[in-house]
Amino acid sequence: KNEVEQSPQNLTAQEGEFITINCSYSVGISALHWLQQHPGGGIVSLFMLSSGKKKHGRLIATINIQEKHSSLHITASHPRDSAVYICAVRGGTQGGSEKLVFGKGTKLTVNP
Amino acid sequence: DAGVTQSPTHLIKTRGQQVTLRCSPISGHKSVSWYQQVLGQGPQFIFQYYEKEERGRGNFPDRFSARQFPNYSSELNVNALLLGDSALYLCASSLRGRGEAFFGQGTRLTVV
Repeated sequence: KNEVEQSPQNLTAQEGEFITINCSYSVGISALHWLQQHPGGGIVSLFMLSSGKKKHGRLIATINIQEKHSSLHITASHPRDSAVYICAVRGGTQGGSEKLVFGKGTKLTVNP
Repeated sequence: DAGVTQSPTHLIKTRGQQVTLRCSPISGHKSVSWYQQVLGQGPQFIFQYYEKEERGRGNFPDRFSARQFPNYSSELNVNALLLGDSALYLCASSLRGRGEAFFGQGTRLTVV
């Protein structure tokens, strides 16, 4: 079982829909990241969370530390939101390294 | 301000060859991490360097090595390339190892 599980793996929505992507993790963490990856590879950091909720424009990220669960919400989705969204946690279980452990990503396609 | 820059962007090598990938972190960032992303998977941790010292190593063979220079830039070296080393190699920098991570565009390595 992967340390970080994302659902769904693929998501297709119509423009304007409310989107939710979920992330569950099985290890103790110091922070959780939500990242966006477009075709071609570059990764953009959307949020870094250690508790509660953060909002940036149409994006909202929440985390429940007790339940080891985080969600990324996109309101009023737009075709330009089409990308792979990746959840990554930082716990550091190898000799104190501060590595990120990634989920496999959720591929979001928003149709006009 | 320049973000994280990686070079080259694309590279084709033959099995058995050696490759060196380069990463320049955001100015002032002292932590650099390397990740390998195979097609369809989330990135996997390879190395982390902080203040020019190795702080963590992922589950990769000894053919993989890295170093960090006094100006905090970093190189990832892979010897005796295998077809399975074909991947997107991502570099991430942060102010300190536990801060928000900023990613470069990656180097896409193809081994033929």
